[in-house]
Amino acid sequence: NAGVTQTPKFQVLKTGQSMTLQCAQDMNHEYMSWYRQDPGMGLRLIHYSVGAGITDQGEVPNGYNVSRSTTEDFPLRLLSAAPSQTSVYFCASSRRTGNTGELFFGEGSRLTVL
Amino acid sequence: RKEVEQDPGPFNVPEGATVAFNCTYSNSASQSFFWYRQDCRKEPKLLMSVYSSGNEDGRFTAQLNRASQYISLLIRDSKLSDSATYLCVVNQGGKLIFGQGTELSVKP
Repeated sequence: NAGVTQTPKFQVLKTGQSMTLQCAQDMNHEYMSWYRQDPGMGLRLIHYSVGAGITDQGEVPNGYNVSRSTTEDFPLRLLSAAPSQTSVYFCASSRRTGNTGELFFGEGSRLTVL
Repeated sequence: RKEVEQDPGPFNVPEGATVAFNCTYSNSASQSFFWYRQDCRKEPKLLMSVYSSGNEDGRFTAQLNRASQYISLLIRDSKLSDSATYLCVVNQGGKLIFGQGTELSVKP
């Protein structure tokens, strides 16, 4: 019963390095999203997707890229890591947006950029 | 101004107390509303949806005031296990926007 799986759980990067956070869900959910969580800021939406081939920007998209080539996968790419991207990243999925509102979250990926 | 704002915390209450959290949102076209709970260093989980007529789930009551653009969560008879961060969530055109969260600590 996997649900939403994020990898890696922990990562340390140097400034300027690139990396990809992986997210996969096995619930056939149409909607997937990435959030970052910083102390005192709550969760902020980075990018989201309402289906394969469709992505859109959230509140804080700069410095991140996403793609949605399949229903199951929604990777988040950091192109050139900066210390300001040190955060906890959560991937979440939902059967659809609208009034359901129930997001299923992965366990989070803790990223430190030195 | 953040699109979704919550009462600053933390709230420290004794067991058995009643505690209320408020949340305001800026976009009057917001479609639906939710409360999530997040335990320390864990992922958030849906606590309850918020309906226009108000709704109750055991010790938890959620209210929506569209005219004033705020939602509330009332917890009665607080338990130690209610200690967590409570997140207000607003659906704005298909995007789920979170408030910064209010931390609740219930003490014996």
